Amino acid sequence: DAKTTQPTSMDCAEGRAANLPCNHSTISGNEYVYWYRQIHSQGPQYIIHGLKNNETNEMASLIITEDRKSSTLILPHATQRDTAVYYCIVRDPLMDSNYQLIWGAGTKLIIKP
Amino acid sequence: SAVISQKPSRDICQRGTSLTIQCQVDSQVTMMFWYRQQPGQSLTLIATANQGSEATYESGFVIDKFPISRPNLTFSTLTVSNMSPEDSSIYLCSAEQGAQGETQYFGPGTRLLVL
Repeated sequence: DAKTTQPTSMDCAEGRAANLPCNHSTISGNEYVYWYRQIHSQGPQYIIHGLKNNETNEMASLIITEDRKSSTLILPHATQRDTAVYYCIVRDPLMDSNYQLIWGAGTKLIIKP
Repeated sequence: SAVISQKPSRDICQRGTSLTIQCQVDSQVTMMFWYRQQPGQSLTLIATANQGSEATYESGFVIDKFPISRPNLTFSTLTVSNMSPEDSSIYLCSAEQGAQGETQYFGPGTRLLVL
């Protein structure tokens, strides 16, 4: 079972920031939060990951709460090309046996013109 | 980040036949994986492709049905054997990369339709 909870779907207006929430209340101290997205008919695309601190890259920002029980992925200026299913996954990459990514249903994000 | 390619991108096959899917990574990686994504579903891990040894299969997947090769650190193949319409899915290859092996990157997938 997925260790994360995400809304089933969200809409966002083009040009605005898209904020995608994720709850991971049972996260352990060594588990990272990963975000991927899957645009229709394509392979999953890695977006960003983090442990405790907020992270930013050219695609998005990741905000992790101080208690680490939830996080938010922010797409700063969403375009219609960002329409996809977004997956939040928690994983400890240093555990040899913990290589499997557990995929939930994700959030279907629709960017409207 | 690792760049991963797969061949073929899609295929339509007859039941009872077999298809071999190739996965090429642009750099050497320790861990490579094969996933299946059935229509409208999330990804399910089939197996870990181990270099120099037999693949490690997840529950519900067996070597006779999904033989896997991993001849080197940049290449792997997955064969879907004796296909039936239930094998119609997207098959995805991934590779793990990072200083501590922390991120999995995915190929574009192979869309398989079995008639």
